[in-house]
Amino acid sequence: AAGVIQSPRHLIKEKRETATLKCYPIPRHDTVYWYQQGPGQDPQFLISFYEKMQSDKGSIPDRFSAQQFSDYHSELNMSSLELGDSALYFCASSLLTSGNSYNEQFFGPGTRLTVL
Amino acid sequence: DAKTTQPPSMDCAEGRAANLPCNHSTISGNEYVYWYRQIHSQGPQYIIHGLKNNETNEMASLIITEDRKSSTLILPHATLRDTAVYYCIVRVGRSGNTPLVFGKGTRLSVIA
Repeated sequence: AAGVIQSPRHLIKEKRETATLKCYPIPRHDTVYWYQQGPGQDPQFLISFYEKMQSDKGSIPDRFSAQQFSDYHSELNMSSLELGDSALYFCASSLLTSGNSYNEQFFGPGTRLTVL
Repeated sequence: DAKTTQPPSMDCAEGRAANLPCNHSTISGNEYVYWYRQIHSQGPQYIIHGLKNNETNEMASLIITEDRKSSTLILPHATLRDTAVYYCIVRVGRSGNTPLVFGKGTRLSVIA
């Protein structure tokens, strides 16, 4: 079965540079989520999109922005990178089914960002 | 969403049942208990969820106490590949596409 695809898998940037992470959700899934996991930390929610509109917003820095495109893929844009942005960035997708109280989130393999 | 409390770590012998507890004493009537796990640096993986009845699937069983203030995830025959951090998450039912709030989780080590 198709899974969530993230690219690149690894990324090394210098301080103050910009980075763009891409996420391709499972086909027909309508919601995409971004999570950040720092070293030794638990995943923290950043932002989500439903049907190409921002749905929820978590602890996403102002230097970061994201969007979901017409083909449902999403990109997380990160500017003025700081050392503290070094982390694993996970994308997840789900399908919001009407009348269903349960929607499992499927996670991608993550992008490991290292800021030097 | 209600807060959860889990032990930071547990060990389990390979082939034995792993019982992972979770306290959620402030859970509301419309909140479900979800379990996810994260194998080292991989994306978290859904395991099981429940409201008030015990649930079982191919991966695990979920036992929820009658007062719903605590629950136990049971891996019936733990293998080395079950070594992971297990997260107990309480979410409002019919929450649709709301994000997951990860707490500290339990680091389960399965020992040969």
